[in-house]
Amino acid sequence: QEQLAEFGGGMAQPGRSLRLSCVVSGFAFETYHMNWVRQAPGKGLEWLAVISHDGSNIFYADSVKGRFTVYRDNPKNTLYFQMNSLTPEDTAVYFCAREVRVQLHNFMDVWGKGTTVIVSS
Amino acid sequence: DIQMTQSPSSLSASVGDRITITCRAGQDIRNYLAWFQQRPGRAPKSLIFGASTLQSGVPSRFSGSGSGTDFTLTISSLQPEDFASYYCQQYHTYPLTFGGGTRLEI
Repeated sequence: QEQLAEFGGGMAQPGRSLRLSCVVSGFAFETYHMNWVRQAPGKGLEWLAVISHDGSNIFYADSVKGRFTVYRDNPKNTLYFQMNSLTPEDTAVYFCAREVRVQLHNFMDVWGKGTTVIVSS
Repeated sequence: DIQMTQSPSSLSASVGDRITITCRAGQDIRNYLAWFQQRPGRAPKSLIFGASTLQSGVPSRFSGSGSGTDFTLTISSLQPEDFASYYCQQYHTYPLTFGGGTRLEI
């Protein structure tokens, strides 16, 4: 069964850094693009980043470009999200999500349960 | 960025009701649209891709339609487990964008 599990959330002061991990099992991680999505308290979903299966192509939302970095270690079945220069507006639950390709459609089909990041002084 | 506008933002309904949620894209996204369900405190669950194709295991009371800029999600006969939030999302162009969500309440 495909599973994704996020780790690394917690509390951080503004300006500090955190690194999130997403450990996957039950599927061939190295063949899938992977995404990060977040949800601020009481708010909707916000897409943040995607990384291709081999790490060669990456796109970011403007809200995190230049501060956050997505990368992956395929032999370790792990996706990472390095978050620098955190602000209180980064407080959210962070989800990793697998992207599947069906015919011409690339969409997020399997999600982790999320990890909570709180940025506060 | 492609703006996705969902309506209504909240909806009260009863078990057995038929409901429809609307999603409008700021530009033509063909049928590159997905719908997600999210129960409180849980991860989003994929319901529909390609605007109208149900994910495996999703009950047939869910249906999606539309193309271009206007899309709908319909639940034909609400069940207790359907009371949740629903989000549309376009995957035509980066950055991927979600609608603001619809909270479906009893």
